[in-house]
Amino acid sequence: QKEVEQDPGPLSVPEGAIVSLNCTYSNSAFQYFMWYRQYSRKGPELLMYTYSSGNKEDGRFTAQVDKSSKYISLFIRDSQPSDSATYLCAMKRAAGNKLTFGGGTRVLVKP
Amino acid sequence: DTAVSQTPKYLVTQMGNDKSIKCEQNLGHDTMYWYKQDSKKFLKIMFSYNNKELIINETVPNRFSPKSPDKAHLNLHINSLELGDSAVYFCASSTSGGANTGELFFGEGSRLTVL
Repeated sequence: QKEVEQDPGPLSVPEGAIVSLNCTYSNSAFQYFMWYRQYSRKGPELLMYTYSSGNKEDGRFTAQVDKSSKYISLFIRDSQPSDSATYLCAMKRAAGNKLTFGGGTRVLVKP
Repeated sequence: DTAVSQTPKYLVTQMGNDKSIKCEQNLGHDTMYWYKQDSKKFLKIMFSYNNKELIINETVPNRFSPKSPDKAHLNLHINSLELGDSAVYFCASSTSGGANTGELFFGEGSRLTVL
């Protein structure tokens, strides 16, 4: 079993809908939680990071962390075709530089 | 003015050959990484350097040897290539603070195919 689990999708939504993504994890030592977006044939780019539990909002993106359930979420409001990409969750312990990634969820936003 | 650049982007080679991938960042970061992304999209760290010093060396076959001539460059040399080495290799960089919070800047990847 992987340390970080993520549904590979694809998740297909109509333009303007809310995209809901999530990851579960098993290591309670994880303290930092990130969401990366990866377009086809490109490198991942960081969307958001959060520390410990709670919510964080940035424009159309909201990240939520529930450490008690070992569950993190990313919501994309008013989705656009340009949001079509693979979304990777990642997390790390308080110390060290090692990120542990989920396998990514492929999202398709249809016009 | 690409922030993290890798060469080559594509590499097709035969089993048993030796190949190198080069990475350069112009962000002034002091930490650099090599990640491997397999066909199922899982990204896994291989190595990390901070100011030219190796700080992460995951369980990677010793056929893989990183080298950081200075803090802006990190190269990856692979000896005796095997079929299972086929993957996309990503270079990334961060500040020391960014390393702590997971704020990495990735290159576009080098797609290695071993025949």
